[in-house]
Amino acid sequence: EAQVTQNPRYLITVTGKKLTVTCSQNMNHEYMSWYRQDPGLGLRQIYYSMNVEVTDKGDVPEGYKVSRKEKRNFPLILESPSPNQTSLYFCASSFLTSSSPLHFGNGTRLTVT
Amino acid sequence: DQQVKQNSPSLSVQEGRISILNCDYTNSMFDYFLWYKKYPAEGPTFLISISSIKDKNEDGRFTVFLNKSAKHLSLHIVPSQPGDSAVYFCAASGVGGSNYKLTFGKGTLLTVNP
Repeated sequence: EAQVTQNPRYLITVTGKKLTVTCSQNMNHEYMSWYRQDPGLGLRQIYYSMNVEVTDKGDVPEGYKVSRKEKRNFPLILESPSPNQTSLYFCASSFLTSSSPLHFGNGTRLTVT
Repeated sequence: DQQVKQNSPSLSVQEGRISILNCDYTNSMFDYFLWYKKYPAEGPTFLISISSIKDKNEDGRFTVFLNKSAKHLSLHIVPSQPGDSAVYFCAASGVGGSNYKLTFGKGTLLTVNP
């Protein structure tokens, strides 16, 4: 089954404790991206990658890192999480061809205390 | 500055009636528009899209209308069904349909009552 898989689905952590949210897709998509969803703010792009070893900042990149060492994986790294990073995170992927729709994972709900 | 605006946080309609969800944008460089649907505890899923060279695109019960002069698009669902109850996100791209600069609105919660 074609899908984008995020892990974990739920995560509660404390301020400053480094964490990684994994994202993997099995559709051979070149493009991958991370979004966060917050009440009243919709979906905002954190980082994106157009291919292996190619990453770029989205609209809200502060406090996050990403890497794209393999085509299928695009982990989101929070080196020193803070409470304002409490949010619902979505990974997405697509082909780079024009009009290719984004496929989203089911989300990771992160709480930083 | 919000470039894609969905001014109605929620909408409630009766089953069988038409649902109309609205979206406005401010950036004249946007040339491709999409609607995504999101159920609770799931990621958004692609619903329908429209290029700026068109003013209407239809897919079954879903039709998207684009008014470029007004910088406005709308999603019509006819007839509405209870399974359509979800959050609908409007999104816009300014790079010929590419996803890498996709800007989303805040979403509209649609409730279809039986």
